[in-house]
Amino acid sequence: DGGITQSPKYLFRKEGQNVTLSCEQNLNHDAMYWYRQDPGQGLRLIYYSQIVNDFQKGDIAEGYSVSREKKESFPLTVTSAQKNPTAFYLCASSTQSNTEAFFGQGTRLTVV
Amino acid sequence: KQEVTQIPAALSVPEGENLVLNCSFTDSAIYNLQWFRQDPGKGLTSLLLIQSSQREQTSGRLNASLDKSSGRSTLYIAASQPGDSATYLCAVRTTNTNAGKSTFGDGTTLTVKP
Repeated sequence: DGGITQSPKYLFRKEGQNVTLSCEQNLNHDAMYWYRQDPGQGLRLIYYSQIVNDFQKGDIAEGYSVSREKKESFPLTVTSAQKNPTAFYLCASSTQSNTEAFFGQGTRLTVV
Repeated sequence: KQEVTQIPAALSVPEGENLVLNCSFTDSAIYNLQWFRQDPGKGLTSLLLIQSSQREQTSGRLNASLDKSSGRSTLYIAASQPGDSATYLCAVRTTNTNAGKSTFGDGTTLTVKP
């Protein structure tokens, strides 16, 4: 089935550690996005990528990094510089011509 | 800067009732508006996408309208069911590019009581 797969579903991180969240899509979409969602709030854009080997900062990029080496993959690294990383992270993708966005099932990151 | 507001934050209705969820935005120069459903601990499921040139979109018991001039969109749910219980989010895209950024509202959490 076509879709977006995020892994893992739950992730625990010790303070000072970097962790990488996976996002893979088989929809042949050019654009991919990473959002952060805090309890009771909407989504805030972290990074987005229009094409392979290109990505742009969103509204809250500090403490995060991404790569886009393949069209299907857009991993997000939460670095130790992110002061409040506990949140629900959502990955999305969309095409060139149809701007409807499709989302993965999310990764819940908890700092312990 | 685009701001998106959804009121009320929470809504509880008895089964079978028709209801309207509201979404307002401050910058009317939008490209499209998308309504999503989110179940607890899950990702977002797209419900309806309205392009800026459209006035409404319908899918089953759902109808979404768009009034750009007043900066408002509504999501109408007919004959509500307990399975409709979820958080409903609207997202507004303000640039006509492949990676145009979407601004999300904080959502309305709907509870439909049997």
